[in-house]
Amino acid sequence: KNQVEQSPQSLIILEGKNCTLQCNYTVSPFSNLRWYKQDTGRGPVSLTIMTFSENTKSNGRYTATLDADTKQSSLHITASQLSDSASYICVVSAWGFGNEKLTFGTGTRLTIIP
Amino acid sequence: SQTIHQWPATLVQPVGSPLSLECTVEGTSNPNLYWYRQAAGRGLQLLFYSVGIGQISSEVPQNLSASRPQDRQFILSSKKLLLSDSGFYLCAWNPTSTDYEQYFGPGTRLTVT
Repeated sequence: KNQVEQSPQSLIILEGKNCTLQCNYTVSPFSNLRWYKQDTGRGPVSLTIMTFSENTKSNGRYTATLDADTKQSSLHITASQLSDSASYICVVSAWGFGNEKLTFGTGTRLTIIP
Repeated sequence: SQTIHQWPATLVQPVGSPLSLECTVEGTSNPNLYWYRQAAGRGLQLLFYSVGIGQISSEVPQNLSASRPQDRQFILSSKKLLLSDSGFYLCAWNPTSTDYEQYFGPGTRLTVT
């Protein structure tokens, strides 16, 4: 069964600090891994997409890493801002029989406090 | 540029009442369209997807249905709502020519009372 597990479930950090969110997955056959940011009451917005051959990808202060061997990914946020308060969702894509299947993690709820 | 719209933004409906949520995409043609539900504390669950007009695939059995009457319109419906239908409903699209990116709408918060 394809699964995506994220940790921690929630995290509170001070503004300006760095943090790292984790994502472990058991999805096969792997196609790509995505990180989304979802503000409360809004639709998710894509941060990064990584394929099997990519180990790291950055989007501003967000840097995602992927270890396809251990099936782990992390999202590192540098110099956090109040606007970073949101849920961060890890999504893993698998391709099979011409269809793409997405498996969503339950997300990490990040709160930045001043 | 492409945009995706959903309405209504919020909805409170009694158990047993019908439901119709609408999603439209602008600025593209022949997109893949998706309906997701996000329950509190749970990941997004794919409900339906469509690769073309009148083509609907269902991922999970439920009392919901979907229709695609026009190329860029996707409708989620129910004849009789259940309490368990409460949640945040998200519509998404991606171009058929690319594999990876899905773009989400703003969502509809449905509360069944």
